[in-house]
Amino acid sequence: QQQVKQSPQSLIVQKGGIPIINCAYENTAFDYFPWYQQFPGKGPALLIAIRPDVSEKKEGRFTISFNKSAKQFSLHIMDSQPGDSATYFCAASITNAGKSTFGDGTTLTVKP
Amino acid sequence: EAQVTQNPRYLITVTGKKLTVTCSQNMNHEYMSWYRQDPGLGLRQIYYSMNVEVTDKGDVPEGYKVSRKEKRNFPLILESPSPNQTSLYFCASSTRQGTSPLHFGNGTRLTVT
Repeated sequence: QQQVKQSPQSLIVQKGGIPIINCAYENTAFDYFPWYQQFPGKGPALLIAIRPDVSEKKEGRFTISFNKSAKQFSLHIMDSQPGDSATYFCAASITNAGKSTFGDGTTLTVKP
Repeated sequence: EAQVTQNPRYLITVTGKKLTVTCSQNMNHEYMSWYRQDPGLGLRQIYYSMNVEVTDKGDVPEGYKVSRKEKRNFPLILESPSPNQTSLYFCASSTRQGTSPLHFGNGTRLTVT
């Protein structure tokens, strides 16, 4: 049973576009929702994270929108650049519990 | 520099030959975890450790062992590797699970023939 479903699997946008990646979760006990960015040959690195008491969080060009009632959260990348081309993972975990669950990843390509 | 170091980066082995992938972090993190990454399957958790001498199974623990004898190290042991364990493995650590982000190593690409 997959606890975090991520879509789309891949995404191609033009430079300046606003790619949106969506995740849906099932376990209402999740209370920490990070997004990670991964470049080829590297490990994932934290991009931005949110907790369920906040509906939106912005850091630079990256925004997380969170809908607690729908059990969904999404990543928006404003004014996307070719350097944003990477694989993005959403994740969910519970404070002080050991397990963390990741989505299947979205490969983003930003064309010049 | 704060980092998670995995070794080796690449490993090719044969079925049944025991191997260990090392992981070390220099951030004094309590929490450490191992993941495998396979195409289309995202990151799946193998084992995690909340602190020294405290380990527990993740979602895909079969065929793997871990130990946490000291805070900085969390080796992953494959006692009898099989071809279905061919994958990209990541070690990660964090200050405290669920309240702080994971710091990942650069991965170990394992091929079992």
